[in-house]
Amino acid sequence: AQSVTQPDIHITVSEGASLELRCNYSYGATPYLFWYVQSPGQGLQLLLKYFSGDTLVQGIKGFEAEFKRSQSSFNLRKPSVHWSDAAEYFCAVGARGNAGNMLTFGGGTRLMVKP
Amino acid sequence: DGGITQSPKYLFRKEGQNVTLSCEQNLNHDAMYWYRQDPGQGLRLIYYSQIVNDFQKGDIAEGYSVSREKKESFPLTVTSAQKNPTAFYLCASSIYKTGRATEAFFGQGTRLTVV
Repeated sequence: AQSVTQPDIHITVSEGASLELRCNYSYGATPYLFWYVQSPGQGLQLLLKYFSGDTLVQGIKGFEAEFKRSQSSFNLRKPSVHWSDAAEYFCAVGARGNAGNMLTFGGGTRLMVKP
Repeated sequence: DGGITQSPKYLFRKEGQNVTLSCEQNLNHDAMYWYRQDPGQGLRLIYYSQIVNDFQKGDIAEGYSVSREKKESFPLTVTSAQKNPTAFYLCASSIYKTGRATEAFFGQGTRLTVV
């Protein structure tokens, strides 16, 4: 079965600084990978996804992520953080041959932005 | 606008009572899911359904029940057998594709509190 680890529970960055959120997955083949963002008390919004091809994927709100097979990682990055980026971020993995199409989520990273 | 509607947004239940959370989607998605979210634990899958009149248990199905009588609707009942039901519940849906994961679209969630 697949699993996802987000090592950082909380991260604080200054507005305008760069951001990298870590995601490591465990799966025997190339997985499908996703990043979602959640504002307090809200549902999840998809930021970006990786299925195949170019390992650097661009998403909404200026985010990007890079799939690194050798490191089993799919880290999320943003060059310059805005105060509105403060939220919780979830990495998720889906397996190939997944009969139910469901995703497995990491524990989340809460991002705080200092003015 | 297409989307997923969860109701109510807040729900209070007395111990020993069953309660049903509503989830409706107009995205014409075949697959629907219920996740439970607790602080620091990410999202955990309760039940999922790939097609009308069929559903499968997820990782934490004990104390919960579902039905899928219509493609658009996937209600979740939290029964009195669920020992710790206070949580944030998220409904999601996705296109169903054989043998692969697909991105999930989420509702705004229902916060259930047992009083």
